[in-house]
Amino acid sequence: GQQVMQIPQYQHVQEGEDFTTYCNSSTTLSNIQWYKQRPGGHPVFLIQLVKSGEVKKQKRLTFQFGEAKKNSSLHITATQTTDVGTYFCAGPGSGAGSYQLTFGKGTKLSVIP
Amino acid sequence: NAGVTQTPKFQVLKTGQSMTLQCAQDMNHNSMYWYRQDPGMGLRLIYYSASEGTTDKGEVPNGYNVSRLNKREFSLRLESAAPSQTSVYFCASSQGHGELFFGEGSRLTVL
Repeated sequence: GQQVMQIPQYQHVQEGEDFTTYCNSSTTLSNIQWYKQRPGGHPVFLIQLVKSGEVKKQKRLTFQFGEAKKNSSLHITATQTTDVGTYFCAGPGSGAGSYQLTFGKGTKLSVIP
Repeated sequence: NAGVTQTPKFQVLKTGQSMTLQCAQDMNHNSMYWYRQDPGMGLRLIYYSASEGTTDKGEVPNGYNVSRLNKREFSLRLESAAPSQTSVYFCASSQGHGELFFGEGSRLTVL
């Protein structure tokens, strides 16, 4: 079945440093979604990328979808303590499995003030 | 606007007991999902309902059953709980293939 891999599993950064998490799928994706989960909370949707090579920005967050639509990245510039949490990417299956959103295992970000 | 509401938030069961997790959404979404989250494992799909009247297995359906009671409600049942089912369970809903809206989670411990 479809696999979505995320690296790194953990990242500790000093406040103000940049952070990047990478997501790779075993299959070509129709789209990719990113979620953030604060400690003790539930996942919250950040963004969906659909087009090959697409780049979207949300303030300090930059999301990129690869040309082959098999990989994606999330980059945070100048991290803040409010960025703490686990970031997940998720991709849908194909055909009849298109409602099956497969999540990566996430990257847990710690920010040292 | 409550969004996705799950009950109970916490539950402790003994091995072999049964229970039902309830989920309701007020966003008129067609699709609903049940995920489980275990440390280091991310979110794994148990069952989903693409639309009212349909349910399908996800990645880890064994030991669970679901009911799409109506458009708003999607319940998850454990018939005979096992320690391996200790987890945090999240219900989610979506309109088509769009973003998922998650409930706050239900923390289940099976002794």
